[in-house]
Amino acid sequence: QKEVEQNSGPLSVPEGAIASLNCTYSDRVSQSFFWYRQYSGKSPELIMSIYSNGDKEDGRFTAQLNKASQYVSLLIRDSQPSDSATYLCAASGSARQLTFGSGTQLTVLP
Amino acid sequence: GAGVSQSPRYKVAKRGQDVALRCDPISGHVSLFWYQQALGQGPEFLTYFQNEAQLDKSGLPSDRFFAERPEGSVSTLKIQRTQQEDSAVYLCASSPGGGAGYQETQYFGPGTRLLVL
Repeated sequence: QKEVEQNSGPLSVPEGAIASLNCTYSDRVSQSFFWYRQYSGKSPELIMSIYSNGDKEDGRFTAQLNKASQYVSLLIRDSQPSDSATYLCAASGSARQLTFGSGTQLTVLP
Repeated sequence: GAGVSQSPRYKVAKRGQDVALRCDPISGHVSLFWYQQALGQGPEFLTYFQNEAQLDKSGLPSDRFFAERPEGSVSTLKIQRTQQEDSAVYLCASSPGGGAGYQETQYFGPGTRLLVL
């Protein structure tokens, strides 16, 4: 079983809508969680990081972490066509490396 | 400032050929990571350096894969006797510190796309 699981999608939302991306993890030693955005043919780019239970907001992005349920999510409000990309959920713990999910492909339709 | 750079950006190798992939991390970054990303998948960890010390190589898929960072800055990932299953994007990432780094952001380079024929 992969340690970080994401709905592979693809997920399509209309412009201006809220996109909801979900991720679960199985390793209880995971302490930090990251959402990366990856455009086709490009490298991953950090969108949000979250370490504590609850919500963390940054502009149009909100990350949510529930350690008891081993669940992380990313909400994108007022989705724009430029948000169309693959979103990667990643976790790290005592080992420094990131463990990634397989990514969710998001398409925002104009 | 300059980000993480990698070269070459694209590499086509014949099966059995040796290849060397280079990573220049952000200046001053202590930690350096190599990941392998297959098409349609998330990156998978290969190996980790703190300065010149290779602290974790548990993700290297076989003994044909070898990485080094002799002076604690530039790193090279070498793949010997390449196989078709080695075809992937190889990503390098760096992060600033060597302390309790699990909260540190990793900054990724553009990757090297390797195709083994």
